[in-house]
Amino acid sequence: EVQVVESGGGLVQPGGSLRLSCAASQFPVSNNYMTWVRQAPGKGLEWVSLIYSGGTTYYADSVKGRFTISRDNSKNTLYLQMNSLRAEDTAVYYCARSDCRGNSCYVFDYWGQGTLVTVSS
Amino acid sequence: DIQMTQSPSSLSASVGDRVTITCRASQSISSYLNWFQQEPGKAPRLLIYAASSLKSGVPSRFSGSGNGTDFTLTISSLQPEDFATYYCQQSYSTPITFGQGTRLEIK
Repeated sequence: EVQVVESGGGLVQPGGSLRLSCAASQFPVSNNYMTWVRQAPGKGLEWVSLIYSGGTTYYADSVKGRFTISRDNSKNTLYLQMNSLRAEDTAVYYCARSDCRGNSCYVFDYWGQGTLVTVSS
Repeated sequence: DIQMTQSPSSLSASVGDRVTITCRASQSISSYLNWFQQEPGKAPRLLIYAASSLKSGVPSRFSGSGNGTDFTLTISSLQPEDFATYYCQQSYSTPITFGQGTRLEIK
């Protein structure tokens, strides 16, 4: 069964750093687009970052220059390195596979359960 | 950036009702539109991709239509498990954007 499992969330002070992990099963992250989406408490979904199978990366303006998406093909794991964290980064962070279906490769078809990041002093 | 606007923001309906949720893009996105369902405390679940293609395993009471800037998600006969929040998402270009969500509640 295709599955992704996030980990690494927690409480961090403003200005601090955190690295999220997303372990994938039954498909290779190296051959797929992968993405991070977040959801602040009681709010809607916000796209954060995406990595192509070829390694090209994209970021939302709200995190550009602070967050870095990467992957370790040997561990079949996706990462999100988050630096200079702010209170407004507080959210549940979801990892998802971004599949190519129909005419787009931005179809988020399998999601993890999410990991909560709280930025507070 | 492409703005996605859903209407209504919330909706009350009864089991067995037919409901329609609308999503409008700020510019043409052809059929690059996906729909998600999110139950409280759970991850989003893909229902429909490319505006009208049903993901495998999703009940046939869900359907999508539209092209260009205007799209709809229709649930033909509401079931108890359908009361949740629904989001549209444009998959045309980055930054990828979502609608603000439509909360479907039991009347």
